[in-house]
Amino acid sequence: GAVVSQHPSWVICKSGTSVKIECRSLDFQATTMFWYRQFPKQSLMLMATSNEGSKATYEQGVEKDKFLINHASLTLSTLTVTSAHPEDSSFYICSARGGMFSLHFGNGTRLTVT
Amino acid sequence: AQSVTQPDIHITVSEGASLELRCNYSYGATPYLFWYVQSPGQGLQLLLKYFSGDTLVQGIKGFEAEFKRSQSSFNLRKPSVHWSDAAEYFCAVGAGAGSYQLTFGKGTKLSVIP
Repeated sequence: GAVVSQHPSWVICKSGTSVKIECRSLDFQATTMFWYRQFPKQSLMLMATSNEGSKATYEQGVEKDKFLINHASLTLSTLTVTSAHPEDSSFYICSARGGMFSLHFGNGTRLTVT
Repeated sequence: AQSVTQPDIHITVSEGASLELRCNYSYGATPYLFWYVQSPGQGLQLLLKYFSGDTLVQGIKGFEAEFKRSQSSFNLRKPSVHWSDAAEYFCAVGAGAGSYQLTFGKGTKLSVIP
């Protein structure tokens, strides 16, 4: 079946540094990928929609300058958390659009900012 | 805008007992409905989905769900729960044809007593 690889699975960084999270579709092409954020014991909140070759579409309230999204190829989208702060600590999950209404989720990235 | 309500935050059942997780949605047209399962620190696995047709949908791991338009519900059921079913369950709605942007409920945590 279709697989989405998300890397790293966990990362710890210092406040003020930037962190890049990769989301790869391993055996299919994904023209559209989605980035979600999940707070502890909470649901997933859509942050942005990433389309290959174009600018990402951010949900209301999500800072586009803080959460940089790049979808440079049909198999890779990246989320960069810039100048990270402790409040950015969260679980980030990507999903990739496959074929006929098929969505495939990565295993998530646990970000801890100290 | 669409929304999803999962009334039960935490449910505990005995192994071998039947299970029903509730999900109510709000959307003006025919929704696309999903149930996902998430193990701790992991991504999401699709259990089943409903687009149209038969309102009783069969999924993986012995799960099924029934779409009831009159009640705006999409409850998830399993006749006999296994200890490995303990996880967090999310109901989600996708709005409109071709929309891959999902709105998730807050989730229901399932605990299974041996």
